[in-house]
Amino acid sequence: EIVLTQSPATLSFSPGERATLSCRASQSVGTYLAWYQQKPGQAPRLLIYDVSNRATGVPARFSGSGSGTDFTLTISSLEPADFAVYYCQHRYTWPYNFGQGTKLEIK
Amino acid sequence: EVQLVESGGGLVQPGGSLRLSCAASGFSFSTYEMNWVRQAPGKGLEWVSYISSSGSSIFYADSVKGRFTISRDNAKNLVYLQMSSLRAEDTAVYYCARYWDYLDYWGQGTLVTVSS
Repeated sequence: EIVLTQSPATLSFSPGERATLSCRASQSVGTYLAWYQQKPGQAPRLLIYDVSNRATGVPARFSGSGSGTDFTLTISSLEPADFAVYYCQHRYTWPYNFGQGTKLEIK
Repeated sequence: EVQLVESGGGLVQPGGSLRLSCAASGFSFSTYEMNWVRQAPGKGLEWVSYISSSGSSIFYADSVKGRFTISRDNAKNLVYLQMSSLRAEDTAVYYCARYWDYLDYWGQGTLVTVSS
């Protein structure tokens, strides 16, 4: 099975800063990669699909890039609502694993 | 408006059984693949099971294979997760999620606690 590794587990930024989150796959997943955002007590929300496509209603400050095994989620200018946990997930072959998550916290 | 509402969670003893339900509305249920994803307390997300729109294709995580059964009733817009031989490590919030290449809509989840 394909394992997704997100590092580091926690990132600290101030509002207004640019944040870059990493996701690495144990083997190529092509462009079949998504990012989800989860806030405390809430269900996850789809942010980005197929590496770089924003889901409906997702602000333009969120962008994704990469291919194969290395992927990046970038938030261009952090707003208070963006401090949450972010998960990557592939759909290359079953099981469609998630990464273990990166928590974005306020510095 | 797309809505997914899970029910059936609760406290169950190790070795026991529980059936979760997910009621879907606001979209053409019979044309979408559906899934169950769980999250243990303070932990990350684990994809538990997938079922195709017709029910003809089903996948399970290795951690639940042979113990959990996913099914759906397209006439009633319901998807189920029958869980048996439950273990402490099955304790989690269980989410129902719609699949359209990715998990685009999620319910709010139902908590399953396995404890004596």
